[in-house]
Amino acid sequence: DVKVTQSSRYLVKRTGEKVFLECVQDMDHENMFWYRQDPGLGLRLIYFSYDVKMKEKGDIPEGYSVSREKKERFSLILESASTNQTSMYLCASTTTGALETQYFGPGTRLLVL
Amino acid sequence: SQELEQSPQSLIVQEGKNLTINCTSSKTLYGLYWYKQKYGEGLIFLMMLQKGGEEKSHEKITAKLDEKKQQSSLHITASQPSHAGIYLCGADRGSYIPTFGRGTSLIVHP
Repeated sequence: DVKVTQSSRYLVKRTGEKVFLECVQDMDHENMFWYRQDPGLGLRLIYFSYDVKMKEKGDIPEGYSVSREKKERFSLILESASTNQTSMYLCASTTTGALETQYFGPGTRLLVL
Repeated sequence: SQELEQSPQSLIVQEGKNLTINCTSSKTLYGLYWYKQKYGEGLIFLMMLQKGGEEKSHEKITAKLDEKKQQSSLHITASQPSHAGIYLCGADRGSYIPTFGRGTSLIVHP
């Protein structure tokens, strides 16, 4: 079974803290994605990566950065957390050319106080 | 901006009732995906539709893509509490970058 794991299910941080969200997939997928999900707004793409050390901005990259040093790991970084970054963060991975094989992690619910 | 409009935003039905969720795009769809999300968890892929008029079924869930490939509907027959969750439609906006509708929250009362 494909597995996409995220480092934490729940996280509470303070405003201004640097936050790292880790995502690991075990299917050798080329593409990895970070989304945030908010009520009434659905899933919004933050960043994605086609390959190691490659990254592309999604629809809402402001306030975030990413790192992909290894194929299986895609990290989302909040340089200085703010309360408006309180959200559910979902990581996904897929093989090239097949969005139907997009597998999602269980999500990290982040609360920024 | 959102390219996919889903309706209704939320739905509460009695167990055993049928229901329909719609997903509409302003542009021709080259691949339409339906996902289900249990509350507080990640998304699970349900079905993909590519051809105009295509219809697919998975257990009691049927999805159809219209001939113009701009609207899809997801129909659940004889709903059960296990069907509860958030249903999202997704599409390829190009270069295999997905875009999603805002989701429909479904509650099924026993």
